[in-house]
Parts: sequence; structure tokens; C-alpha cells
Amino acid sequence: AQKITQTQPGMFVQEKEAVTLDCTYDTSDQSYGLFWYKQPSSGEMIFLIYQGSYDEQNATEGRYSLNFQKARKSANLVISASQLGDSAMYFCAMEYGNKLVFGAGTILRVKS
Amino acid sequence: GAVVSQHPSRVICKSGTSVKIECRSLDFQATTMFWYRQFPKQSLMLMATSNEGSKATYEQGVEKDKFLINHASLTLSTLTVTSAHPEDSSFYICSAGAIRQPQHFGDGTRLSIL
Repeated sequence: AQKITQTQPGMFVQEKEAVTLDCTYDTSDQSYGLFWYKQPSSGEMIFLIYQGSYDEQNATEGRYSLNFQKARKSANLVISASQLGDSAMYFCAMEYGNKLVFGAGTILRVKS
Repeated sequence: GAVVSQHPSRVICKSGTSVKIECRSLDFQATTMFWYRQFPKQSLMLMATSNEGSKATYEQGVEKDKFLINHASLTLSTLTVTSAHPEDSSFYICSAGAIRQPQHFGDGTRLSIL
């Protein structure tokens, strides 16, 4: 069965610094997709970044990058130059079939 | 702009009321949509997969008679919480999208049953 683990319930980061949010996964599939979503307190789910299991390069989207280590089954999100608006809940998710399974989430607080 | 619209955004109603939540894909056809439930400070839990023109597929432990799903067109899925009780109070959110592509989520519905 597919499983996503986010071991950091909460994280603090100083504004303008980088932060890494951890995500490990478990699957027996060879082909899969990994996603990161941001959920502000207002509740909407905002797509941040995607990594396919066969992608050779780590995905990047602006200030977001995904540190994909396939052998270790980890897909950590790196946010560079943190901003106050980055404070939110962050979810790692894996696609299996056409469904998404989410990790427990990490609450990120950016300090000024 | 939003590609998935969810309505209403907030519902407060009395116990025993049935509540309908709509999820619309605005600029694409969605043969499949997904309904999630989220308790405060917890993760999204998939409730069911809504299939256009056929019965929804429910996840284990989700009561299909309590949470009725209808997907009558390629752009609209509805979730009806029947005879809602306080324990049904939660945040409900829908999504739609293609495989290996980011799911587009609605803005969610906060349901409070008094």
C-alpha cells in the first residue's frame, strides 16, 4: 500500500532563510508521481511542485525545489528565501492510479 | 483564475438537515472528481471518487448512504450529506484533474452542524 510520511508536525524559519520540509514515501510501483501542496489558513489547496518517478532531474518551480532521492524514497521540499506569506500547512502527496494519498502535513511558520 | 469552483464555501445548519455541496470544473471536462474530508489540523482523507455517468467509488469506512455523490455531467459533481449531525461537521473539498497532472482543488466547504 502507498504511504506518505511527514515527520515534522511544525517548523519555524526566519524570513529570507531556506527551509526543508521532509517527506518519505513507500510504494512498490515503479511509476508514480509526487506532489507538494500548500494550504493557507483559508483552506484552499495550492499546487506547488511535481516530481515524476522517472524524472532524472529534481523539479524546481521558482523558490520551490524538490530534493528527490529515489533510492531513499524521499521527496523533500526546499523553500528558498522564505517569505511571511509562506506560513501555511504543507502537504506531500503521492499519486496511485488516479488517486492522491496525502501525508499528515507540516505547519510552517515564517518569523520576521 | 480558479479552474474548479466549489459552492457553498460555508454552511451552518441544524442537525437532521441534508446539505448539498457542488463542485464544478470551469474550463475542462472532468470524467472523474474526488471528494475529501479534512478535520482541523489534519490531513485530507479521500472519501470517494466521483465518476461521470456511473456510481461513485467510496473509500473503506465511508457510508455511501450518508454521503451521496452524483456526477451527472462532465463539469459537475455534487456531494450531499444526508441527515447531517454534529459529527459530520468538517471541511469538505473536491478536486479534479488528469493522471500525472496536478489536481485542481475547489476552495472547500466548511460545514458546521448545530
